[in-house]
Amino acid sequence: DVKVTQSSRYLVKRTGEKVFLECVQDMDHENMFWYRQDPGLGLRLIYFSYDVKMKEKGDIPEGYSVSREKKERFSLILESASTNQTSMYLCASSLIRQIQQYFGPGTRLTVT
Amino acid sequence: AQSVTQLGSHVSVSEGALVLLRCNYSSSVPPYLFWYVQYPNQGLQLLLKYTTGATLVKGINGFEAEFKKSETSFHLTKPSAHMSDAAEYFCAVSARYGNKLVFGAGTILRVKS
Repeated sequence: DVKVTQSSRYLVKRTGEKVFLECVQDMDHENMFWYRQDPGLGLRLIYFSYDVKMKEKGDIPEGYSVSREKKERFSLILESASTNQTSMYLCASSLIRQIQQYFGPGTRLTVT
Repeated sequence: AQSVTQLGSHVSVSEGALVLLRCNYSSSVPPYLFWYVQYPNQGLQLLLKYTTGATLVKGINGFEAEFKKSETSFHLTKPSAHMSDAAEYFCAVSARYGNKLVFGAGTILRVKS
């Protein structure tokens, strides 16, 4: 079974803090994705990566950056957290020629 | 570009009744279509997917969906709801030769005893 893990299930940070969300997959998938999930808005793509050190902006990249130094790990970085970044963050991965994505359990981030 | 509209942010059914969750998509290229389910405090789990071939797709837990190109729809059904089906359901679309998913806003299914 594909396993996608996220470093924290719940996280509380203060406004202005630098926040790191980590995602690791164990199936040698090329593609990795970061989404945020908000009620009534579904999942919106923040960034994705199709290879080590490669990244592309999704639909809502403002206020976020990403890092992919190893194939299995994809990090989402909030350089200066703001209250409007309070949300559920979901990581996903997929093979390069497969559309199906496998999701982690999510990190619920609260910025106060 | 692709987009997904899920009709009804909340759907309530009685246990044993038919479940129908509606999804309409827009895509300028042949689509791949998906339904995911999210149980409370969990990530998304794939229910079923349409890629090519048979337009009636069967998934896990007794769910199925039918791809209707003429109606640009991919509605999810289950003949008899179970209490364990209570969850949020997401429809998603991808371009056949792309690798990004576009999600609908989600439908929360409530099952009444």
